[in-house]
Amino acid sequence: GENVEQHPSTLSVQEGDSAVIKCTYSDSASNYFPWYKQELGKGPQLIIDIRSNVGEKKDQRIAVTLNKTAKHFSLHITETQPEDSAVYFCAAPRSNDYKLSFGAGTTVTVRA
Amino acid sequence: NAGVTQTPKFRILKIGQSMTLQCTQDMNHNYMYWYRQDPGMGLKLIYYSVGAGITDKGEVPNGYNVSRSTTEDFPLRLELAAPSQTSVYFCASSYSEGWAFFGQGTRLTVV
Repeated sequence: GENVEQHPSTLSVQEGDSAVIKCTYSDSASNYFPWYKQELGKGPQLIIDIRSNVGEKKDQRIAVTLNKTAKHFSLHITETQPEDSAVYFCAAPRSNDYKLSFGAGTTVTVRA
Repeated sequence: NAGVTQTPKFRILKIGQSMTLQCTQDMNHNYMYWYRQDPGMGLKLIYYSVGAGITDKGEVPNGYNVSRSTTEDFPLRLELAAPSQTSVYFCASSYSEGWAFFGQGTRLTVV
């Protein structure tokens, strides 16, 4: 099965600085890597994803990079704003049944 | 367009009681899922369904049951509530495998 590890568990950044969250996965057959943002009291929401045929994908202030050789992928948030404060989860599909395995989450706090 | 709707939002159960967590989606998605979220543990898959009449176990199915009689609805049943089932439960749906729309969650406490 897929084992997804996520670091760090908490991250505090000054408003305007960048935030980086890293995840590693174990199943080399995984080919799809979504990132979810969970605000307080709400369900996780898909914010960006990347497929294994590309190394980087950007959407305004967020970007995701993928290193298939090393089996890790990262979320980058630039010019952080208070509304970026949330818990972020990475995920990867299990090759046996394609269901998502989630990382433990990173609590991001943006200080004003 | 409501997306994925879960009820109730909060519930307190006594040990041994039973209840059903309701989930409905209006996006005509074939795939539906139930996850539980415990602090620092991410999301664990309880059960999933790939279409009406088809359900299967996820990573942590013990103590739970599901049914899928329609495309829209995917209720989760707890028969004999235990303190270990205190958690936040999320229902999700998708039109393909791999990603999902999540509901707002149900916070369940078993005392």
